[in-house]
Amino acid sequence: GAVVSQHPSRVICKSGTSVKIECRSLDFQATTMFWYRQFPKQSLMLMATSNEGSKATYEQGVEKDKFLINHASLTLSTLTVTSAHPEDSSFYICSARDSQRAGTAFFGQGTRLTVV
Amino acid sequence: AQSVSQHNHHVILSEAASLELGCNYSYGGTVNLFWYVQYPGQHLQLLLKYFSGDPLVKGIKGFEAEFIKSKFSFNLRKPSVQWSDTAEYFCAADGNQFYFGTGTSLTVIP
Repeated sequence: GAVVSQHPSRVICKSGTSVKIECRSLDFQATTMFWYRQFPKQSLMLMATSNEGSKATYEQGVEKDKFLINHASLTLSTLTVTSAHPEDSSFYICSARDSQRAGTAFFGQGTRLTVV
Repeated sequence: AQSVSQHNHHVILSEAASLELGCNYSYGGTVNLFWYVQYPGQHLQLLLKYFSGDPLVKGIKGFEAEFIKSKFSFNLRKPSVQWSDTAEYFCAADGNQFYFGTGTSLTVIP
């Protein structure tokens, strides 16, 4: 099956620093990738939709200057959490839509971010 | 606005009981529907999906879901659950964008 690799799986950083999370589609091209955030005991929340070669579309309430998304190629999207704060600690998941498989989205393993 | 709602937040069943998890979506256009499962400590996996055709969709591990257009529903069913089905289940709709429901935590008691 299709594989989406997300890296790193866990990261601890200090307040005020930036963290970059990578999402790669390993065996398919993904013109569209999605970034989600999962709060404890809550649902996945869509943060933004990333389209290759264009600016990401952010959901209401998501700070685009804080959560920088870059989708520079058909197999890679990155999410950078800038000037991280403890309240940014969460589980971040990416998914990639496989345009060749009728648009089914496949998920990365997720990244547990802890800001101390 | 597009949205997905799951009515059951936490379900507890005994093994061999039947399961039905509700999912309703709101979107005026053509929509693809999915059920995903997240087992403890693992990442999301696709259970089944509906794009068109037969509204009764069969997925992995004995799960099935029925698309009822008039009710905007896509409920997940399994006739006899097992302890290994304990997991978090997410309904999702792909219309204009990809949205998830709030999830249902299923606990199956041996």
